[in-house]
Amino acid sequence: GIQVEQSPPDLILQEGANSTLRCNFSDSVNNLQWFHQNPWGQLINLFYIPSGTKQNGRLSATTVATERYSLLYISSSQTTDSGVYFCAVHDYGQNFVFGPGTRLSVLP
Amino acid sequence: DVKVTQSSRYLVKRTGEKVFLECVQDMDHENMFWYRQDPGLGLRLIYFSYDVKMKEKGDIPEGYSVSREKKERFSLILESASTNQTSMYLCASSSNGGTEELFFGSGTQLSVL
Repeated sequence: GIQVEQSPPDLILQEGANSTLRCNFSDSVNNLQWFHQNPWGQLINLFYIPSGTKQNGRLSATTVATERYSLLYISSSQTTDSGVYFCAVHDYGQNFVFGPGTRLSVLP
Repeated sequence: DVKVTQSSRYLVKRTGEKVFLECVQDMDHENMFWYRQDPGLGLRLIYFSYDVKMKEKGDIPEGYSVSREKKERFSLILESASTNQTSMYLCASSSNGGTEELFFGSGTQLSVL
């Protein structure tokens, strides 16, 4: 089945810094989503982005489907950005495959 | 906005008890999913359903069953809870209408003592 990798596994930032999170996948996909899991466990939808670029405030995402990767950009990070970021892909099969996540800690 | 509601945020049960985890979505989604999340193991799919009264096994169905009697409700059942089923349980739903964007509930942290 499709494999999903995320990097880096852990990231520590000072408040105000920028960061880029990467998601690589091993085969063609028809759906890619980015989620943020907050410290209380809630998975929050950030982007539905099977291809192209989207922006939402300080966050933006780019997926290059032909090269099988997606990037999540966080600018001017805040402590509330802390948590785990997951990408998930849907591979034309039945289910979603999740990456292992990137744990982000933003220090005040 | 899509809302996926899980009935309990925290639940403590005893070994051997029958446990019901309930999930309700309000967007008329066809697809519903149950995942469990454990440290270091990520999200693992337990069961899913693409229609009322339909169910499919995911990657780790052992020790679990599900029920989908109505389109909006998907229940996860632990027939005889065991300590290794202590975990965070996450319900999700999506539609068949094109994007299949996945939406999650807030999760149930289950402790089996």
